[in-house]
Amino acid sequence: EPEVTQTPSHQVTQMGQEVILRCVPISNHLYFYWYRQILGQKVEFLVSFYNNEISEKSEIFDDQFSVERPDGSNFTLKIRSTKLEDSAMYFCASRSLPGLAGVEQYFGPGTRLTVT
Amino acid sequence: AQSVSQHNHHVILSEAASLELGCNYSYGGTVNLFWYVQYPGQHLQLLLKYFSGDPLVKGIKGFEAEFIKSKFSFNLRKPSVQWSDTAEYFCAVNGGGATNKLIFGTGTLLAVQP
Repeated sequence: EPEVTQTPSHQVTQMGQEVILRCVPISNHLYFYWYRQILGQKVEFLVSFYNNEISEKSEIFDDQFSVERPDGSNFTLKIRSTKLEDSAMYFCASRSLPGLAGVEQYFGPGTRLTVT
Repeated sequence: AQSVSQHNHHVILSEAASLELGCNYSYGGTVNLFWYVQYPGQHLQLLLKYFSGDPLVKGIKGFEAEFIKSKFSFNLRKPSVQWSDTAEYFCAVNGGGATNKLIFGTGTLLAVQP
């Protein structure tokens, strides 16, 4: 069964450094998402991406964040200058179709980002 | 704004006990409701979903959930849990629109003791 994959599984970085989290969505999916979960808190929506552009972003997704689909298979989340409060589990998700037919989102296993 | 509340943060049960995990949402429009499960070391996977119609929905692995519109609730149930049900359970709502983003609850960690 096709799966969403994410790399790395765990990333440790120093405050102020740039990180890129990578996701490979399911191949025929069209909508892509990033969510994050700070330890002990809710899974929060960050951004959605469709047709090579951001379709919606949350207030968390400020100028330090960017997303890209550089090659038609990878979907990346870049944090330009990490802060301690960016430490979280980051989940990528994808879905296939608009409307109810494709509303189920398939999630990757997550990348645990630790900012020291 | 949409929100989801899960009241049980950590539940410990013995095998064969019955399970009910509470979920309440706050959204005035048409909602799609979901329960996702995350087994240790694995990704979030869909247990069940409600779009419309019969408010009692059945999912995988013997789970079911009941949508009660008047109570804004979508509680998850299983009559007899197994050790393999040990996982974290997330309730989520999707308010529709173009992006279909999910709004999650805080999750409930279920530990089933053999």
